[in-house]
Amino acid sequence: DGGITQSPKYLFRKEGQNVTLSCEQNLNHDAMYWYRQDPGQGLRLIYYSQIVNDFQKGDIAEGYSVSREKKESFPLTVTSAQKNPTAFYLCASSTPIGSGEKLFFGSGTQLSVL
Amino acid sequence: GQQLNQSPQSMFIQEGEDVSMNCTSSSIFNTWLWYKQDPGEGPVLLIALYKAGELTSNGRLTAQFGITRKDSFLNISASIPSDVGIYFCAGHSIFGNEKLTFGTGTRLTIIP
Repeated sequence: DGGITQSPKYLFRKEGQNVTLSCEQNLNHDAMYWYRQDPGQGLRLIYYSQIVNDFQKGDIAEGYSVSREKKESFPLTVTSAQKNPTAFYLCASSTPIGSGEKLFFGSGTQLSVL
Repeated sequence: GQQLNQSPQSMFIQEGEDVSMNCTSSSIFNTWLWYKQDPGEGPVLLIALYKAGELTSNGRLTAQFGITRKDSFLNISASIPSDVGIYFCAGHSIFGNEKLTFGTGTRLTIIP
C-alpha cells in the first residue's frame, strides 16, 4: 500500500538527549513536511523540504533539525535545545503545488519527556 | 505563521443531526483542503477544492470553496458516531509560498 510511515508510535526522551523520529513515504512525492501538534491545538510547521538535499525552516524550527538525503525519507531530530518537546509529531508529503495540491499525513509519533 | 479562523471551535450534537463548520481567511486562497483527525492518529484528507464556487461531495460530506475565495464551508449530513473527531481546514494563499495554512480545528462530539 502507498503511504507515509512514521516510527516509532511512542517515544520517550531523557533530559539532554537527542531523539530522531523516522518518516518514510512511497508516494513518490517531492515535498515533505514536519508538524507539531500540542493537545487541543492546531498544527504548527517545523521544517519542510521541497526536494532532496534541500529543506527550509518552518514557524517553530528552533531545537529541531532535519535531513533529506533520499526522496523517500525525511527524519526529524529533536535536540536537547528543545526545552518543551512533549507533543504529537506529524510527518506529511504532498503532490506538487499548483497542480491540485494534496497533503497526506502519517499516523504520528507521540514524544514524551521522562 | 498565519492561521485560518475556523468556527465553531467545538460542537455537541445528537446523532442524525446535520453539521456545518467554516473557515475564513484575510487573504485570497487558491486551494482549500478539509481533514478529519481521530485521537492519536494523523489527519485524513476528506475533500479538496481548487476553484471559487466549487461544491464537492464525499458521501455525507459536502464542502464549498467560497465565492470570495476567502472562505470555505464543510457540511456533514445525518451525523453518525464515527463522525466524532477534529475537523481541520487548510488552504493555500495566492500570495503564499510552499506552505499550507491550517485552521485551529472544530471538535465534533455526538451526545448519546
